Amino acid sequence: DTAVSQTPKYLVTQMGNDKSIKCEQNLGHDTMYWYKQDSKKFLKIMFSYNNKELIINETVPNRFSPKSPDKAHLNLHINSLELGDSAVYFCASSQGSGRGSYNEQFFGPGTRLTVL
Amino acid sequence: DQQVKQNSPSLSVQEGRISILNCDYTNSMFDYFLWYKKYPAEGPTFLISISSIKDKNEDGRFTVFLNKSAKHLSLHIVPSQPGDSAVYFCAGRIQGAQKLVFGQGTRLTINP
Repeated sequence: DTAVSQTPKYLVTQMGNDKSIKCEQNLGHDTMYWYKQDSKKFLKIMFSYNNKELIINETVPNRFSPKSPDKAHLNLHINSLELGDSAVYFCASSQGSGRGSYNEQFFGPGTRLTVL
Repeated sequence: DQQVKQNSPSLSVQEGRISILNCDYTNSMFDYFLWYKKYPAEGPTFLISISSIKDKNEDGRFTVFLNKSAKHLSLHIVPSQPGDSAVYFCAGRIQGAQKLVFGQGTRLTINP
């Protein structure tokens, strides 16, 4: 009964490959996110979707493309992987648009991507 | 441009004593501040929040203090327990959005 799940947990691949990370939430939330935790340990937001619509798109290379087939899923596709893409990627979800009081973001367990 | 900074990468505290984790920020557009706790191989979990119009919020053993003039917040844990050993992230929410800006975390170790 995991609230936010990600697959795979670990991903090791060669430079230049294309890979996807899947995320699913069973909390009934309407907003989902992708974060990247780099080698310096900062958690930085990459994308956010609300009701399948892109609402936050940080300065992320075009090689990264999120896809939200429905409110419960937000997948991350990465093309032409580079060494610098190695990081831990976290998916998260929450309810609400961000106005008013803070609505807790629930995080998945993370996907450790290693590009060789 | 680090809008949220946690200058102590690690902190070690005796069980039963008070743990104080600190966080500084530069962005005046944060309307909420949050603390998240993270265990190894798990995602961060929400701990406590504080509105930018408050100066204190308490939840059990956890209290967050906000000093807006100094752009500083702190998390107090008392008494500290071994299960509190984790990495603690401070974050600010950009006003009107669900965008969080995180610090780099402080690893707290509670010694028995």
